[in-house]
Amino acid sequence: DIQMTQSPSSLSASVGDTVTITCRASETIRNYLNWYQQKPGKAPTLLISAGSSLQSGVPSRFSGSRSGTDFTLTISGLQAEDFATYHCQQSHRIPWTFGQGTKIDIK
Amino acid sequence: EVQLVESGGGLAQPGGSLRLSCEVSGFTVRTFEMSWVRQAPGKGLECVASISFSDTDVHYADSAKGRFAISRDNDRKSLYLQMNSLRLEDTAIYYCVRNAAASGLAAFDFWGQGTVVSVSS
Repeated sequence: DIQMTQSPSSLSASVGDTVTITCRASETIRNYLNWYQQKPGKAPTLLISAGSSLQSGVPSRFSGSRSGTDFTLTISGLQAEDFATYHCQQSHRIPWTFGQGTKIDIK
Repeated sequence: EVQLVESGGGLAQPGGSLRLSCEVSGFTVRTFEMSWVRQAPGKGLECVASISFSDTDVHYADSAKGRFAISRDNDRKSLYLQMNSLRLEDTAIYYCVRNAAASGLAAFDFWGQGTVVSVSS
């Protein structure tokens, strides 16, 4: 199975900060990398697909990028509603696997 | 509007069984791959079972092989997960998830609200 290593596991930030979360795949996954947002007590929702494609309705402060097998989720100008847990997932090879998640909380 | 509604979770003893159900609406279940994804308390997400839109391909996480069985009833617009020989480590929230690969999006685009499975003696 493809292993996804996500970091950090948690971070504290303030409204207006720019934060980055990284996800490294154990082998090449091309651009088959998705990001999900999960708020407490809720199911995850798809945020970004194919490395950098924002889903409909996702604010432009969210962006995704790729460098080889390293992927980055950037939130530019953190808003109060962005405090949540973010999960990366590879969809290159079955079984689709997830990173361990990154929780963003208020500093 | 796409909706997925899970049911069937609850408390089970180690070695016991549970059958989870997921009723879908707003799309034709037979045209999408479907999966069950779980999240143990304080842990990440794990895809435990998937079924192709043609039902010819099913996949299980190693943790589920030989114990779980995924199936669907297209007429009843439902997805199921039969869980046998339950273990303490199966305790988790189980989500029914739509896989959008058939429409060109290799991602889980819709999730149910989840059903809680607790395995305890």
